[in-house]
Amino acid sequence: GNSVTQMEGPVTLSEEAFLTINCTYTATGYPSLFWYVQYPGEGLQLLLKATKADDKGSNKGFEATYRKETTSFHLEKGSVQVSDSAVYFCALTLDNYGQNFVFGPGTRLSVLP
Amino acid sequence: SAVISQKPSRDICQRGTSLTIQCQVDSQVTMMFWYRQQPGQSLTLIATANQGSEATYESGFVIDKFPISRPNLTFSTLTVSNMSPEDSSIYLCSVDGGGETQYFGPGTRLLVL
Repeated sequence: GNSVTQMEGPVTLSEEAFLTINCTYTATGYPSLFWYVQYPGEGLQLLLKATKADDKGSNKGFEATYRKETTSFHLEKGSVQVSDSAVYFCALTLDNYGQNFVFGPGTRLSVLP
Repeated sequence: SAVISQKPSRDICQRGTSLTIQCQVDSQVTMMFWYRQQPGQSLTLIATANQGSEATYESGFVIDKFPISRPNLTFSTLTVSNMSPEDSSIYLCSVDGGGETQYFGPGTRLLVL
C-alpha cells in the first residue's frame, strides 16, 4: 500500500539553525507530495507541494524537492525562527481530485531563541 | 485557497452525550472530508462527504457513531455520538481545493470526561 515515513521528533534547534525534516514515501504510482504545518492549537495549513518528479515546492523560506529516484521529499529551511515551532506533516495522494491522502506521523519542531 | 471555519472550536463533554461539529467553507466544493487526530498522533480519515449522497466511511468508523450531513456544497456536520473518553481528539474538516490539494479547517478540540 501507500505510506509516508518521517523522521522521528521532536527536533529541537536554535534560532537561525538549518532545518531538514526527512520524508520518504512508498506509492504504487506517481503521487503528488505535500508538506502541511500545524501550529499549536490550530488546524493544518498547506505549506508547499510538488506534483511531479524534480519539482521544487517552496513557501515562507521552506523548500522541498520531489526526488523520484530516492522516493523522498525532504523539507528544508536555511534559517529557522521561533515562530516555525510546529508539527510538520508530509503527505501524498495519487488522486487528482483531493481524495485518498496518506499522512506521515508528523515531526514536532521546537525552535529555541 | 478555500477559507474553512469550524464550530465549536473546542468543547468539554460528558460521556454518553453527543456533539455536532459544523464545517463551513467560503466556496462551493465537491468533497468534504472529516478527520480525527488523537493526541500526539497523525490524521485518520473518518469519512468523505459528497453533497446529495451518503457519506463514505473508512474502515473502523460507522455511521451510527459518526453520522454526517452534507446538505449543500458549502456546509457539513459531523456528530460524535454516545461519547466516551476515547473520543477525545481534534476533529478536522477539510475540502478538496481544486486539483489534488486538500485545505483544512482550524479543528474542533474535544475533551470527553
